[in-house]
Amino acid sequence: DQQVKQNSPSLSVQEGRISILNCDYTNSMFDYFLWYKKYPAEGPTFLISISSIKDKNEDGRFTVFLNKSAKHLSLHIVPSQPGDSAVYFCAAVSGNTPLVFGKGTRLSVIA
Amino acid sequence: DVKVTQSSRYLVKRTGEKVFLECVQDMDHENMFWYRQDPGLGLRLIYFSYDVKMKEKGDIPEGYSVSREKKERFSLILESASTNQTSMYLCASSTPSGRVYEQYFGPGTRLTVT
Repeated sequence: DQQVKQNSPSLSVQEGRISILNCDYTNSMFDYFLWYKKYPAEGPTFLISISSIKDKNEDGRFTVFLNKSAKHLSLHIVPSQPGDSAVYFCAAVSGNTPLVFGKGTRLSVIA
Repeated sequence: DVKVTQSSRYLVKRTGEKVFLECVQDMDHENMFWYRQDPGLGLRLIYFSYDVKMKEKGDIPEGYSVSREKKERFSLILESASTNQTSMYLCASSTPSGRVYEQYFGPGTRLTVT
């Protein structure tokens, strides 16, 4: 039973355009959401997060949107750069429990 | 800067061998985690620990055990390695009092069981 779903295994975007990565969740108890970025042969690194009391959080080129009623969040990257090419994991948590991760979306930014 | 280190980046073992994967963090974090990452399956939680000598099963604990004798060190043990345990293993740590919920990951160990 997958509580966090990333339905697009891969995404290709041209350099300079917007990348939109999507994530859906089923557990209404989740109260915090995070995005991690992972390069090959490296551990995931934290990118951006959002609390369930907010609907938007922005950090430079990265913005996360949360729609609680739809149990949906998205990560926007504007403008996309070749160095953004990586696997992006969506994660969710409730209280001090382990993060629950989605299966990831591989983003390729084409120059 | 938080640092999570793992004892090996690459490891090749034979079927039936006992395998130890070591993880050390230097930030005095209470929580530590072991995941494996496989293509198309994402990050799956094997075991976690919220304190010394404490351990909890994650989603896929079968075939694994863990040890946490010191706060900074969390070991993953494959009692009898099998080929279906070939994977990327990732250790992470976090603290409930820090930036909330953020887990810091090590570089990973690519284990191949032949």
